Amino acid sequence: DTAVSQTPKYLVTQMGNDKSIKCEQNLGHDTMYWYKQDSKKFLKIMFSYNNKELIINETVPNRFSPKSPDKAHLNLHINSLELGDSAVYFCASSRGGGRVSSYNEQFFGPGTRLTVL
Amino acid sequence: LAKTTQPISMDSYEGQEVNITCSHNNIATNDYITWYQQFPSQGPRFIIQGYKTKVTNEVASLFIPADRKSSTLSLPRVSLSDTAVYYCLVAGAKAAGNKLTFGGGTRVLVKP
Repeated sequence: DTAVSQTPKYLVTQMGNDKSIKCEQNLGHDTMYWYKQDSKKFLKIMFSYNNKELIINETVPNRFSPKSPDKAHLNLHINSLELGDSAVYFCASSRGGGRVSSYNEQFFGPGTRLTVL
Repeated sequence: LAKTTQPISMDSYEGQEVNITCSHNNIATNDYITWYQQFPSQGPRFIIQGYKTKVTNEVASLFIPADRKSSTLSLPRVSLSDTAVYYCLVAGAKAAGNKLTFGGGTRVLVKP
């Protein structure tokens, strides 16, 4: 069984559109994350959620909004897509309650390659 | 912010030992050092984690000197399947967002 899954794997869309990427983990973890990996392979945190509470919110444009319907899901919604949003987006999860235990092992999904035309 | 610096790339041959050093001069007292491996078109995968001295598991060893300002990931007897990007991450229990930035990683190419 896949521990952390993301859908879709590929997403090609036009500038200005709104899109969502879904993430689910079946590990029973308390914390989930979204990362953006650019063409130079830099992997940067965007958001993390712990028990439905946003703990980390990096300097990400407010066009990006994480939505967590329950502990096992953390979806990423993007409004008004721009060319610079093209990247691979990774979802991850880890153990940890209360505050983010960022040094706990993170389990990553397979990634979603977003291409904005 | 414990910024990390790693070599951009390294080449090796099958059967050799590969050592990748990560510099983190501003590491904080409560920071741990974690290494991840990423294959093309996949998400990163945890390899090893340590706080000080030496840690060894079934796939790698992690050497951390007393001052903790650097760490070295050692991959013994690499095979072609070890070709990947290796990331060093330094973060603690209450890391701010940018402390979870992995950086560019080290691209290791294992040749036959």
